[in-house]
Amino acid sequence: SQQGEEDPQALSIQEGENATMNCSYKTSINNLQWYRQNSGRGLVHLILIRSNEREKHSGRLRVTLDTSKKSSSLLITASRAADTASYFCATRSGNTPLVFGKGTRLSVIA
Amino acid sequence: EAQVTQNPRYLITVTGKKLTVTCSQNMNHEYMSWYRQDPGLGLRQIYYSMNVEVTDKGDVPEGYKVSRKEKRNFPLILESPSPNQTSLYFCATQRELGAHEQFFGPGTRLTVL
Repeated sequence: SQQGEEDPQALSIQEGENATMNCSYKTSINNLQWYRQNSGRGLVHLILIRSNEREKHSGRLRVTLDTSKKSSSLLITASRAADTASYFCATRSGNTPLVFGKGTRLSVIA
Repeated sequence: EAQVTQNPRYLITVTGKKLTVTCSQNMNHEYMSWYRQDPGLGLRQIYYSMNVEVTDKGDVPEGYKVSRKEKRNFPLILESPSPNQTSLYFCATQRELGAHEQFFGPGTRLTVL
């Protein structure tokens, strides 16, 4: 049961530009999380936003949540080549396991 | 150092030959989970365990077994592997089901010929 759906599937930008990825989901959630995956490696937790929050920041990351539209966005400002990775949103509903989307593949060109 | 370890990291095997992928964590987490990752399909949960001796099916449990005899270990067993189980497998843990963050192992790349 895939809950989150990221958009776009792939994104290519120049170093220094901002990268925006979106996540849409279907049912009401407790929280939404974003993870990063470097090629072929384990996912790493980036940031969590609760259903009663609208925006959250962590360093160069900014996450927004619109529960009325069932969507979230992840903004990476001033991107670097090291930000090249796949980014996944994951949602938690009730007391059920985390459900991951299919991911957005970000390429940052130096 | 807090970590999740998986072994083996890479495995090439043949159809029908039983195999086990181990997962171990040193964080005393109650919740452990197995995912498979395939191109275009993202991460799909195979099985999860909320505590010792408690396991539940995820979205794609067919062809897999798990056990949770002790808190730190959560092995994934393929009794009779088939080529459609060729995939990248991840073990993940979190303090408890309702906790916020999952910690992932490094992955096991399995090829079934």
